[in-house]
Amino acid sequence: DIQMTQSPSSVSASVGDRVTITCRASQSINSWLAWYQQKPGKAPKLLIYTASSLQSGVPSRFSGSGSGTDFTLTISSLQPEDFATYYCQQSKSFPLTFGGGTKVEIK
Amino acid sequence: EVQLVESGGGLVQPGGSLSLSCAASGFTFSDHYMDWVRQAPGKGLEWVGRIRNKASSFTTQYAASVKGRFTISRDDSKSSLLLQMNSLITEDTAVYYCARAILRAGATTFDFWGQGALVTVSS
Repeated sequence: DIQMTQSPSSVSASVGDRVTITCRASQSINSWLAWYQQKPGKAPKLLIYTASSLQSGVPSRFSGSGSGTDFTLTISSLQPEDFATYYCQQSKSFPLTFGGGTKVEIK
Repeated sequence: EVQLVESGGGLVQPGGSLSLSCAASGFTFSDHYMDWVRQAPGKGLEWVGRIRNKASSFTTQYAASVKGRFTISRDDSKSSLLLQMNSLITEDTAVYYCARAILRAGATTFDFWGQGALVTVSS
């Protein structure tokens, strides 16, 4: 199985801050990586697919980069509605696997 | 508007069975692969399994943790996805989400999710 490791597990930030979350795969997954945002009690929401493509309707302050084993999700200017938990997910091979999540908290 | 609505969650004893349904609307259900993803209380996301469409012979794949105990099926005439869970164990306690799978450039992403159904396995 491909292991997905996110860091940090949590980050405290203020509105307007730039936030970067990292996801590392245990083997190369090309660009077959997605990012999701989840708020408490809600279903995950797709933000980024194929590592860097912005899902329709997602604000442009979200961006993704990387290929191979190392990926990043960047929020360029954190907004109040962005406080949530973020997950990466690989689709290079089955079983599909998710990272452990990064909780973005209010500083 | 795409909608996925799960039903059938509840409390079940260890060793018991439970069936979840996911009613889809707002898109051509029969065209899509559909997946189940679960989330144990306070934990991260875990992929459970997939069923492909008719063009891909309705083939299924499962996580090792549920293989042989869970069965995914679909009824395209009713735009419905089903998850039959047998021999349940306490570790199966989770919110279960149905999700629409989209394949783009070879990658699978889940672009729409249901609201989730809570399954609690406890004596």
